[in-house]
Amino acid sequence: ETGVTQSPTHLIKTRGQQVTLRCSSQSGHNTVSWYQQALGQGPQFIFQYYREEENGRGNFPPRFSGLQFPNYSSELNVNALELDDSALYLCASSLPLAGNSGANVLTFGAGSRLTVL
Amino acid sequence: GEDVEQSLFLSVREGDSSVINCTYTDSSSTYLYWYKQEPGAGLQLLTYIFSNMDMKQDQRLTVLLNKKDKHLSLRIADTQTGDSAIYFCAESSGGYQKVTFGTGTKLQVIP
Repeated sequence: ETGVTQSPTHLIKTRGQQVTLRCSSQSGHNTVSWYQQALGQGPQFIFQYYREEENGRGNFPPRFSGLQFPNYSSELNVNALELDDSALYLCASSLPLAGNSGANVLTFGAGSRLTVL
Repeated sequence: GEDVEQSLFLSVREGDSSVINCTYTDSSSTYLYWYKQEPGAGLQLLTYIFSNMDMKQDQRLTVLLNKKDKHLSLRIADTQTGDSAIYFCAESSGGYQKVTFGTGTKLQVIP
């Protein structure tokens, strides 16, 4: 079974530009979460998608948006890039849960490293 | 709000035991997790514990949970150089609730 794959692995943008990051979830996983990991920090929750709808959002402005597709793959879009958006963006997928309980075990991709100049 | 705190750095000699500590603030935390991140890689789940448990052992890993003090620890027995990485403590309230991560503890294993 393939794991979580992300693209691109590295990219450089300038302030004000827009970026789209892509993620293919692990086979059988129907939930995708996106995290931002700044240098030397822990991952910060951006949002989560379940059944193609946003299902939870962290403390990020609306210029961070996402999509989930019927095959459970996902995109993270960031508009009007700022210098502080430079970070490693991690996608994680997780298995369907029985009801709304159980451990939310995340399988992470290797990340997309974004540099904003 | 939720907050998860860890010490930044730990250095141990190969063969010794490592103990990484974590404190969290969210009383509704139901699951506590330990993830490992190696350079240039995403995070890998090591183990997790349900909040009604005090201890969980998995080969060289032992997790201790003190729910009253909101304190979690990860003990790695017989630490190897391959254990050098950043270890993240995390918590969630269960189900599809978000997972909140700590700042990470960098473990350095000295040969």
